[in-house]
Amino acid sequence: KQEVTQIPAALSVPEGENLVLNCSFTDSAIYNLQWFRQDPGKGLTSLLLIQSSQREQTSGRLNASLDKSSGRSTLYIAASQPGDSATYLCAVNPINLGGGGADGLTFGKGTHLIIQP
Amino acid sequence: NAGVTQTPKFQVLKTGQSMTLQCAQDMNHEYMSWYRQDPGMGLRLIHYSVGAGITDQGEVPNGYNVSRSTTEDFPLRLLSAAPSQTSVYFCASSYGGQSYEQYFGPGTRLTVT
Repeated sequence: KQEVTQIPAALSVPEGENLVLNCSFTDSAIYNLQWFRQDPGKGLTSLLLIQSSQREQTSGRLNASLDKSSGRSTLYIAASQPGDSATYLCAVNPINLGGGGADGLTFGKGTHLIIQP
Repeated sequence: NAGVTQTPKFQVLKTGQSMTLQCAQDMNHEYMSWYRQDPGMGLRLIHYSVGAGITDQGEVPNGYNVSRSTTEDFPLRLLSAAPSQTSVYFCASSYGGQSYEQYFGPGTRLTVT
């Protein structure tokens, strides 16, 4: 069964720092990996989607990498701002080759990020 | 486009009551799904649908029913609510299935007393 782990569970850094959030998954048979942002009491906002054939994706100050063979992804946030404070979720889209698994995302528990002004 | 919409935003039920959580999308997405989010558990898949008339179970389907009569709508039914179903429920959709980007609704916060 696919499992997704996010480290650290919580992180607090001063404004302006560059930071890295980590995500690991146990089964490399995936279609893609998606990073989401969730603000308190709100839904999930998609940040970046990396297909299994890709190594990285960039959007503004965000860069996500994927190493499928080692089961790892990182989300790099450059020049952090207080508005980046949120919970960041990593989710993989597993390939179920007739193994009876459900067709949906498997999520990590998230990294709660606080950027101090 | 409104994207993925969910109603209601908040709901309080008594044990044993039934209700339907509504989900709609206006992006002509074939794939739709329901997740629940609980503290310390992350998001878990309840049911999903790969197109109108086709539904299947996810990781935690017990106590929930779904149907998909149109491409746009994917309601989630609780037939007899239990306190263990207190959670935040999210609906998601994507174009063409699993391998595409997933879009999430704003969620429904349900409390069962």
